Amino acid sequence: GDSVTQMEGPVTLSEEAFLTINCTYTATGYPSLFWYVQYPGEGLQLLLKATKADDKGSNKGFEATYRKETTSFHLEKGSVQVSDSAVYFCALGGGSFKTIFGAGTRLFVKA
Amino acid sequence: EAQVTQNPRYLITVTGKKLTVTCSQNMNHEYMSWYRQDPGLGLRQIYYSMNVEVTDKGDVPEGYKVSRKEKRNFPLILESPSPNQTSLYFCASSLQGGAYEQYFGPGTRLTVT
Repeated sequence: GDSVTQMEGPVTLSEEAFLTINCTYTATGYPSLFWYVQYPGEGLQLLLKATKADDKGSNKGFEATYRKETTSFHLEKGSVQVSDSAVYFCALGGGSFKTIFGAGTRLFVKA
Repeated sequence: EAQVTQNPRYLITVTGKKLTVTCSQNMNHEYMSWYRQDPGLGLRQIYYSMNVEVTDKGDVPEGYKVSRKEKRNFPLILESPSPNQTSLYFCASSLQGGAYEQYFGPGTRLTVT
């Protein structure tokens, strides 16, 4: 069945460091891929998405490219801020009505 | 304001006492879903609904019931809660299913003793 694997956390970075959170997926067909972010005490909210191969999603300085050849959707940001501290979830949504989420990666950014 | 609301936000109950967590959305979305979030396991889908009176099981449906009598509401029912249902629960909605952006409620933290 469909699945999502993302790097385990926590990830701890200093402010202005470069961020990469790896995400790979297994799916039949051509799913849409998402990154959601969860701030402390809140529900998830969409960070960015890509709906087909080679699409790049971007938002708030974060980027991820839908790589079909490597079945990956890695999240990157060039310079993280303390306010980026949160849990990040990679997810896929395919032809079925299900959405599959990864386990989440907690990010801590130190001032 | 477009939003998904859940009530209650926090609930402590005892084993076997039936409870309902309500969920409502004001975006006229067709698709609604319930997830539970547990440490190290991410979000797991409990049930989802493609439209009024149409529901289906997710990955962890045991011990839960749902109904979709109106488009905006999708309550989660625990007929006989057990301690292994202690978790953080999220309701979500989207235009049409998993390929679309989902909008999440603020969560309900449930403790079953």
